[in-house]
Amino acid sequence: NAGVTQTPKFQVLKTGQSMTLQCAQDMNHNSMYWYRQDPGMGLRLIYYSASEGTTDKGEVPNGYNVSRLNKREFSLRLESAAPSQTSVYFCASSEASFLPQPPQHFGDGTRLSIL
Amino acid sequence: QQPVQSPQAVILREGEDAVINCSSSKALYSVHWYRQKHGEAPVFLMILLKGGEQKGHEKISASFNEKKQQSSLYLTASQLSYSGTYFCGTETPGANNLFFGTGTRLTVIP
Repeated sequence: NAGVTQTPKFQVLKTGQSMTLQCAQDMNHNSMYWYRQDPGMGLRLIYYSASEGTTDKGEVPNGYNVSRLNKREFSLRLESAAPSQTSVYFCASSEASFLPQPPQHFGDGTRLSIL
Repeated sequence: QQPVQSPQAVILREGEDAVINCSSSKALYSVHWYRQKHGEAPVFLMILLKGGEQKGHEKISASFNEKKQQSSLYLTASQLSYSGTYFCGTETPGANNLFFGTGTRLTVIP
């Protein structure tokens, strides 16, 4: 049972480049989330999705877009990366089909550096 | 709306107890606790719903006082494996976001 799988684990980008972070869960969970974690800031919610086809903004959505491709997959896209988006990104999921509910399972994270 | 955690850091010897507090300036619907070891993903420990219930997880338990808008995490007879950063998350009625505190770094030494 893999749980929540994120790819890639590490990435270095140049300012202005774009990329998509991938996330998949195999627990048949309804809700999925994207968080960023910065030193001293705790976890901050970027976007979440309560079910396939629905997405909502979290606390820090600017500069990001998301797609809930199906029940398993929830991707995060940076259209034009900026140094301020250097962070560790976590995807998470929970059984809940209504929000807000706390995330229960986290992926291992993507360490993203933007030069 | 970010909850405030205290202390920011604590060092314990094996077998000692610790309390980590999480306070909010707003009314809370629920509080949830996580532990994160360095370089790893956060691990969900427990959720406490409005009603003042206390829940337990091994030798780690927590309480939720909705009148005081705060929760406390209790770690008893600490073990080396308890080391990590503990985060509380809070849910405010009517809000669409869940907010996390900045964490309490717990270090258990032999």
